[in-house]
Amino acid sequence: GEDVEQSLFLSVREGDSSVINCTYTDSSSTYLYWYKQEPGAGLQLLTYIFSNMDMKQDQRLTVLLNKKDKHLSLRIADTQTGDSAIYFCAGRGSQGNLIFGKGTKLSVKP
Amino acid sequence: DGGITQSPKYLFRKEGQNVTLSCEQNLNHDAMYWYRQDPGQGLRLIYYSQIVNDFQKGDIAEGYSVSREKKESFPLTVTSAQKNPTAFYLCASSIAGTGVYEQYFGPGTRLTVT
Repeated sequence: GEDVEQSLFLSVREGDSSVINCTYTDSSSTYLYWYKQEPGAGLQLLTYIFSNMDMKQDQRLTVLLNKKDKHLSLRIADTQTGDSAIYFCAGRGSQGNLIFGKGTKLSVKP
Repeated sequence: DGGITQSPKYLFRKEGQNVTLSCEQNLNHDAMYWYRQDPGQGLRLIYYSQIVNDFQKGDIAEGYSVSREKKESFPLTVTSAQKNPTAFYLCASSIAGTGVYEQYFGPGTRLTVT
């Protein structure tokens, strides 16, 4: 089955770019997702990418997909303190459920 | 407003007691899911349901039970058989199928068992 790996922590300064990386094992997932979780709250979908795309840009967010290396990344431009949260990448399981990585905690220092 | 609600936000129980966590959605979604979140562990799937009166075990179903008698509701019971029940529990819903369908999450219930 799908396995999704992420680094656990990332610290950046306000105004810098953040890059959160993710690797996955099952290339059959049609869509790959990035979710954001603020402290003590549920998850919100940030963006997703279709598996036949290399890149998707949405305002400050850029998603890059390297299918050959099974590598997904999320770049946040001009990172703000409000971006501090846990970011999860996820692939789709065979029954429609999502399979999440362990999450990357992004800390933004003023 | 359409959305998914979980109650209560915080729940405290003594060891050996069963406890039921509520999850309700008014998004008209067929599919509903329960995840458990532990620090540094990400989200793990407990149970899911693609349609009323049907549900499937996820990766960590032992010690949990669910029912899906109504489309809007998917309650989770944490039984005394669950060895380590203290965790943050998240419910989600989506359109059933395999498209890009977004999963909408509730705000979560933090369960503490002592």
